[in-house]
Amino acid sequence: DTGVSQDPRHKITKRGQNVTFRCDPISEHNRLYWYRQTLGQGPEFLTYFQNEAQLEKSRLLSDRFSAERPKGSFSTLEIQRTEQGDSAMYLCASSEPGQNTGELFFGEGSRLTVL
Amino acid sequence: GENVEQHPSTLSVQEGDSAVIKCTYSDSASNYFPWYKQELGKRPQLIIDIRSNVGEKKDQRIAVTLNKTAKHFSLHITETQPEDSAVYFCAGGGTSYGKLTFGQGTILTVHP
Repeated sequence: DTGVSQDPRHKITKRGQNVTFRCDPISEHNRLYWYRQTLGQGPEFLTYFQNEAQLEKSRLLSDRFSAERPKGSFSTLEIQRTEQGDSAMYLCASSEPGQNTGELFFGEGSRLTVL
Repeated sequence: GENVEQHPSTLSVQEGDSAVIKCTYSDSASNYFPWYKQELGKRPQLIIDIRSNVGEKKDQRIAVTLNKTAKHFSLHITETQPEDSAVYFCAGGGTSYGKLTFGQGTILTVHP
């Protein structure tokens, strides 16, 4: 399967613990995005990478959230000191290089439950 | 920033009927408007998109229309089938690195 893959698919953690999610984009895509989706809502933008550079971060991304894409390939999203409000589906997406905005290819998501 | 409003939140139709979902956006600089379909427990997948230089685009049973002056765009599905049942999201963007702002979603149910 050459689509976007995310790991783990499900994570249950206790409040205050740290969690890390990994995203492997489609190999030739240099653009990578993290979105968050809560029940009954559309995806909300969190952050964007072009190659290894993090070019934009949403105000939704508090200091407890950090994302990296060290070699311009896979990306990680870490949430420190998790809170119950962090419970959501974290979606990764990638897109082809180019000037125009184009199709986002989403992964299956990593569902986080904070108890 | 961009704000996208979508309605209705739920839509129930009989198989063979048409379905229309409408969205409005706030940022006049937005130039790209995709529609994504998300089946239960699955990833969102692009079904059709339109750029601001055209007013309408069709792909078989699906069409999208865009009114830049009024800042609204619509998804039209004709001859609906039970497998069209899903959540549909509109989105707007294109001004910043491909970042999209999504609507709240429409749960479409097609009854056989």
